[in-house]
Amino acid sequence: AQRVTQPEKLLSVFKGAPVELKCNYSYSGSPELFWYVQYSRQRLQLLLRHISRESIKGFTADLNKGETSFHLKKPFAQEEDSAMYYCAPSSGTYKYIFGTGTRLKVLA
Amino acid sequence: SAVISQKPSRDICQRGTSLTIQCQVDSQVTMMFWYRQQPGQSLTLIATANQGSEATYESGFVIDKFPISRPNLTFSTLTVSNMSPEDSSIYLCSALADSTDTQYFGPGTRLTVL
Repeated sequence: AQRVTQPEKLLSVFKGAPVELKCNYSYSGSPELFWYVQYSRQRLQLLLRHISRESIKGFTADLNKGETSFHLKKPFAQEEDSAMYYCAPSSGTYKYIFGTGTRLKVLA
Repeated sequence: SAVISQKPSRDICQRGTSLTIQCQVDSQVTMMFWYRQQPGQSLTLIATANQGSEATYESGFVIDKFPISRPNLTFSTLTVSNMSPEDSSIYLCSALADSTDTQYFGPGTRLTVL
């Protein structure tokens, strides 16, 4: 069965510290991988997608096919990064399966 | 990108009644989706809204409970029928941006069933 695991429900870090939000997936085929973010009182929005290999707001995500992981990283956390983060693989039919989400709290 | 609006933004309904949620996209899109986010949980896909044909439902969701319409390429509705308190959730609409395969989400409809 297709499955996405985000093991941490809550991750608290201090401002300026590195951040890593974990995502492991179990998927048939080669899914496209996305990270979505939801800031307080805002709608869910795309943060980044694997195929673009881009860095958004200082975040990057590396696909490790051997470990089937797509962890989200940022070297220096900012208070404005506090939000809910969802990992979402997408099948060839463009349907997403969302992980359970990780709430990131960046402390001053 | 695509800008998506939903109506209503929230509602409180009585058990046994039905509520129709509207989703409007500011551009024509081929694929639209409906999700449910129950309290404290992640998003679960309900169905894919297909233009000109019946929606495609995910396991655990049926047309009688969640009828969906998609009359054109910019609009869709989801009806939550014969509601019970277990239907209290946030319901989200999304649309696929054809050029980038990225889904854009509406603000959600917060439904409370008493």
